[in-house]
Amino acid sequence: SAVISQKPSRDICQRGTSLTIQCQVDSQVTMMFWYRQQPGQSLTLIATANQGSEATYESGFVIDKFPISRPNLTFSTLTVSNMSPEDSSIYLCSVGDGAGYTFGSGTRLTVV
Amino acid sequence: GQQLNQSPQSMFIQEGEDVSMNCTSSSIFNTWLWYKQEPGEGPVLLIALYKAGELTSNGRLTAQFGITRKDSFLNISASIPSDVGIYFCAGRTGANSKLTFGKGITLSVRP
Repeated sequence: SAVISQKPSRDICQRGTSLTIQCQVDSQVTMMFWYRQQPGQSLTLIATANQGSEATYESGFVIDKFPISRPNLTFSTLTVSNMSPEDSSIYLCSVGDGAGYTFGSGTRLTVV
Repeated sequence: GQQLNQSPQSMFIQEGEDVSMNCTSSSIFNTWLWYKQEPGEGPVLLIALYKAGELTSNGRLTAQFGITRKDSFLNISASIPSDVGIYFCAGRTGANSKLTFGKGITLSVRP
């Protein structure tokens, strides 16, 4: 299965600022996703990152708050914009490969 | 929307015991996946099931895709302390469709 490198692994940010999270995959993948996992909760899909076009957002998530880039088949970024304490979560990159869906180790974000 | 039901939220077992976890849905899924998540890590795929009735093993883990395609179970035999973690079931309806996750079961293993 694909190997995913996600950066940063954790960060503490001031409210009102933005953080960009990077996801690098060791092979070309068609499907790339961004998830949020709030403390003690399950995973919620934010959006599907589409190569060469705008991301497809799930209900409750908007591009202005979570802009996503996908310049090629191995890389994507998620930005959490104008952060508030409610954005404190783990953000996870995932790719669809032959074995199912593989996840990165996540970015643990704390907004103060 | 689609929902996957996992309960209870937490399970406590003694080392060496077997444990079974169930995942149910009101909708049909064509693929069932079981993940384990440890603190500070992303979910790791344990077993993937692609066909109704399929029974698949991975070491001490066994999972089955229910005949109705609306449920799946995961068995862990002879549990050990490193089995501790959160176990999520996930399903999808098609090859390119998104995953739906259950709420997860936190497993604790007493030595």
